[in-house]
Amino acid sequence: DADVTQTPRNRITKTGKRIMLECSQTKGHDRMYWYRQDPGLGLRLIYYSFDVKDINKGEISDGYSVSRQAQAKFSLSLESAIPNQTALYFCATSDLVTGMQYFGPGTRLTVL
Amino acid sequence: RKEVEQDPGPFNVPEGATVAFNCTYSNSASQSFFWYRQDCRKEPKLLMSVYSSGNEDGRFTAQLNRASQYISLLIRDSKLSDSATYLCVVNRRGSTLGRLYFGRGTQLTVWP
Repeated sequence: DADVTQTPRNRITKTGKRIMLECSQTKGHDRMYWYRQDPGLGLRLIYYSFDVKDINKGEISDGYSVSRQAQAKFSLSLESAIPNQTALYFCATSDLVTGMQYFGPGTRLTVL
Repeated sequence: RKEVEQDPGPFNVPEGATVAFNCTYSNSASQSFFWYRQDCRKEPKLLMSVYSSGNEDGRFTAQLNRASQYISLLIRDSKLSDSATYLCVVNRRGSTLGRLYFGRGTQLTVWP
């Protein structure tokens, strides 16, 4: 079984709709992250969390919000989706000692 | 200036060739260094860490030059399965955030 899972894997929605992307992990890591990836732009950090009570903005947090429901769960919400939020979204966790990050399989989101 | 800069390529090489990727990072406080591999539309996966003394893992060799703030990845005897995008990744010294900074990636295609 995968250590980091994301749901849904694909989603098509319309402008203005509220969307939630979910991430779960079984690695026991405290640190979790949300990234988006666009062609030619690489990975950009949206939000990150050190533990259940800690939430921090990344470099492109506008238009997004997150919720850390438990150590194992970190959700990303688009309150009112817009077309330029069409992208591939990755959740990741990291090991405190090595700093290595482990990624989920990604969610491909299309906003029409 | 971007935290991590990579030549985007693409690199197109025949099977059996040796290919090298380079990466520079801007922050001298960077502490940990990694190479990740990303297949098309898949999540990034850790390929190898990069240590100050250089390190090798089979056909892959990573080098770090702290004075020049430069990281390299050498792939010997390229295989078709090496075709992917290679991401250079750094983490800052003193950061408690576990935040990684990703290059945009170098695309490699190995042809038969």
